[in-house]
Amino acid sequence: NAGVTQTPKFQVLKTGQSMTLQCAQDMNHNSMYWYRQDPGMGLRLIYYSASEGTTDKGEVPNGYNVSRLNKREFSLRLESAAPSQTSVYFCASSEPTDATNEKLFFGSGTQLSVL
Amino acid sequence: DAKTTQPNSMESNEEEPVHLPCNHSTISGTDYIHWYRQLPSQGPEYVIHGLTSNVNNRMASLAIAEDRKSSTLILHRATLRDAAVYYCILRPLWAGNNRKLIWGLGTSLAVNP
Repeated sequence: NAGVTQTPKFQVLKTGQSMTLQCAQDMNHNSMYWYRQDPGMGLRLIYYSASEGTTDKGEVPNGYNVSRLNKREFSLRLESAAPSQTSVYFCASSEPTDATNEKLFFGSGTQLSVL
Repeated sequence: DAKTTQPNSMESNEEEPVHLPCNHSTISGTDYIHWYRQLPSQGPEYVIHGLTSNVNNRMASLAIAEDRKSSTLILHRATLRDAAVYYCILRPLWAGNNRKLIWGLGTSLAVNP
């Protein structure tokens, strides 16, 4: 199984450019998440989707939009990139069938630089 | 939301046991203790979790203090591949999913050959 697949792995943007980060999971999970990871800070949740057709803001949603295209795919869009969005972005998924055993599965990340 | 405190870094020798501590003095009765680790240039991966009793799996053991204010992740025989950042996180039982997880900076474990 591929698990959680993110594309691209690396991206360089100029300030003001837009782009979409793609994420797909093949585990039939209902919940999907987008995090960012910056040096000296823990993972911070940008947006999440509890199930197909629903999305909600996380801790740091400003400057981002998301789309839960179907159960497999959850994309993150930067409409007008800013240097403050330089970060490593991780997509994750989980299946909350049992809260006592729910685990997050992460992709390998997208390293984004905004110049 | 309850938070955890971990040492910034630890060092171990290959094939020796490693005890990674975590303090969570404000833990509530329904918070699960989860551990994840992040290998270099990879996303975090699940290691183990527990509520009150000690837990074992193929990767590690989790020892939970009787008052639940602290826990210890135990790697029985460290390998070079275990060099990673280890995160201790509280997962509220009531949360419908993982949106309430608070990720700190974790403990960076170095393993010497």
